[in-house]
Amino acid sequence: AQTVTQSQPEMSVQEAETVTLSCTYDTSENNYYLFWYKQPPSRQMILVIRQEAYKQQNATENRFSVNFQKAAKSFSLKISDSQLGDTAMYFCAFMKQGGGADGLTFGKGTHLIIQP
Amino acid sequence: NAGVMQNPRHLVRRRGQEARLRCSPMKGHSHVYWYRQLPEEGLKFMVYLQKENIIDESGMPKERFSAEFPKEGPSILRIQQVVRGDSAAYFCASSPMPSGGTEAFFGQGTRLTVV
Repeated sequence: AQTVTQSQPEMSVQEAETVTLSCTYDTSENNYYLFWYKQPPSRQMILVIRQEAYKQQNATENRFSVNFQKAAKSFSLKISDSQLGDTAMYFCAFMKQGGGADGLTFGKGTHLIIQP
Repeated sequence: NAGVMQNPRHLVRRRGQEARLRCSPMKGHSHVYWYRQLPEEGLKFMVYLQKENIIDESGMPKERFSAEFPKEGPSILRIQQVVRGDSAAYFCASSPMPSGGTEAFFGQGTRLTVV
């Protein structure tokens, strides 16, 4: 079974600052996918970024980037130039390659607050 | 193309009643996942279905919970004889294939409150 750990229950930064959310995971799988999801107060789960474990290059989506360290089983999310709309719960998630059974395994989340 | 639609958004049931949660996947998606989110927790996998088949229900309690995804119509998560501990947000996600790497699109969830 896989586990995903997010050690920061809550973080708060000023608007325009850069913030990094940490995530570690444990698995015996070699091929898998990692995700960061954002959940604003509306409760909608929004995919922020996805990383394939076989790719060495870190994924980037506009202001969002990851630092994927496969050997260390670490998958942190960096948000640059943070905006008020980034305030939300952020969940790190794992899925085995081939998906299907088990679905996504989520961490407990980090509540990110962007202060004006 | 409408997103994943879940209804109702909010559901209140008394202890012992039945709760039915509906999920209409995105058009063209034949794979549905149900997750439960307890307060202050991440989402926990419950069940994975394809049309007319339950593929994996390892995350679903053995008693009182059932799920289906018929050939026609939405996927249904049914909770019989609800108890206070069933109070949670229930999310459905759909994908066009086993979502090993493709994005699973989530609905907005149904918040079940058992009183």
